[in-house]
Amino acid sequence: GAGVSQTPSNKVTEKGKYVELRCDPISGHTALYWYRQSLGQGPEFLIYFQGTGAADDSGLPNDRFFAVRPEGSVSTLKIQRTERGDSAVYLCASSNLAGGWGTDTQYFGPGTRLTVL
Amino acid sequence: DQQVKQNSPSLSVQEGRISILNCDYTNSMFDYFLWYKKYPAEGPTFLISISSIKDKNEDGRFTVFLNKSAKHLSLHIVPSQPGDSAVYFCAASGGGSGNTGKLIFGQGTTLQVKP
Repeated sequence: GAGVSQTPSNKVTEKGKYVELRCDPISGHTALYWYRQSLGQGPEFLIYFQGTGAADDSGLPNDRFFAVRPEGSVSTLKIQRTERGDSAVYLCASSNLAGGWGTDTQYFGPGTRLTVL
Repeated sequence: DQQVKQNSPSLSVQEGRISILNCDYTNSMFDYFLWYKKYPAEGPTFLISISSIKDKNEDGRFTVFLNKSAKHLSLHIVPSQPGDSAVYFCAASGGGSGNTGKLIFGQGTTLQVKP
């Protein structure tokens, strides 16, 4: 079956612009995660959805970042007034969480490389 | 603060030898640990995991060891193959019914296996 897909694969934008990054999780996976990976670092948690609701958004760096998952499948990460420091690879992962125990394997997409000029 | 640390940014081994990648953590609430492998321009791929109730988990050439008292885990690859060359990330998550499953990653170790 298809894995996690993310579009676009690359996005170049100018400082101050608005961007949207899309994630298509594995079909049937209820849990969806966004991470951000800066150069030379490991992925850093941003937000977690269980179904349609954001169950944990503690990793969002500030209110310029927002994510939605209106139908419990596709998710969009939205960044307003982009800054050069937002440049990173944005990774999406999904898993088939069961029973509230977060030990299910997360499957990652290839990421979107965002460059803010 | 970095709750999961991989202190070796890189490791080079000869094909056929053992590769040992290390990871340390500080949060005693972590109870599930994973290793992911990442090739350039791809997302991380799950490799192997271990629950805190175990001290060893083996899957083919890959074995993960967990030392809870030292808050240390390691990944052993035996024998190492050139195709194992990649960046390896250690990750941890907290346990319990309220756990969201979010992963805390280390900085990664780049493994190069020379033919």
